[in-house]
Amino acid sequence: EVQLVQSGAEVKKPGESLKISCQASGYSFTTYWIGWVRQMPGKGLEWMGIIYPGDSDTRYTPSFQGQVTISADKSISTAYLQWSSLKASDTAMYYCARHEGLSSPHPDSWGQGTLVTVSS
Amino acid sequence: DIQMTQSPSSLSASVGDRVTITCRASQGIRNDLGWYQQKPGKAPKRLISAASSLQSGVPSRFSGSGSGTEFTLTISSLQPEDFATYYCLQHNSHPYTFGQGTKLEIK
Repeated sequence: EVQLVQSGAEVKKPGESLKISCQASGYSFTTYWIGWVRQMPGKGLEWMGIIYPGDSDTRYTPSFQGQVTISADKSISTAYLQWSSLKASDTAMYYCARHEGLSSPHPDSWGQGTLVTVSS
Repeated sequence: DIQMTQSPSSLSASVGDRVTITCRASQGIRNDLGWYQQKPGKAPKRLISAASSLQSGVPSRFSGSGSGTEFTLTISSLQPEDFATYYCLQHNSHPYTFGQGTKLEIK
């Protein structure tokens, strides 16, 4: 069974750094893309980007490029989403999702979500 | 970027009704489209991939159709557990884009 288990909720101050995680199990981590989706409070889903853990190939939506870093550690089957300097506008629920398919990968299995709250 | 226009943004319906949700792509995306259901406080769940392929375990009252620029999700007979928000996602080209969502509420 595919499982994606995300790290717990975070409360941070503006300007702080943060790295949240998504640990995968039940499939070959290095042969599926894995990515992140943002959901701001009361809003819709926004696709942020994906990484292919096999070779670390990474794609970002332009609005998130430079704002976050997506990475993966294949030795522990874990993907990460990282900020170097958080803003209040980063307050949101973040979901990781395994992406099925190599030519046109798309989310099939999802983590439970990590709530990030940024407030002074 | 490919824009996905989803309609309606909200919909009130009764148990047993047939409902249709539409997504239009700003350019052709072949059948590179999925439909997702999200209930409050929960992660999204994929219902349909490749525009019309029902995921294992998803009730057959859900169906998807379309190709190119116009796609529909149909629920043939609404059940109480279907009241949720539905999203389409195009994965034809980067950046992938979701529709704005359709909130399906009980009438």
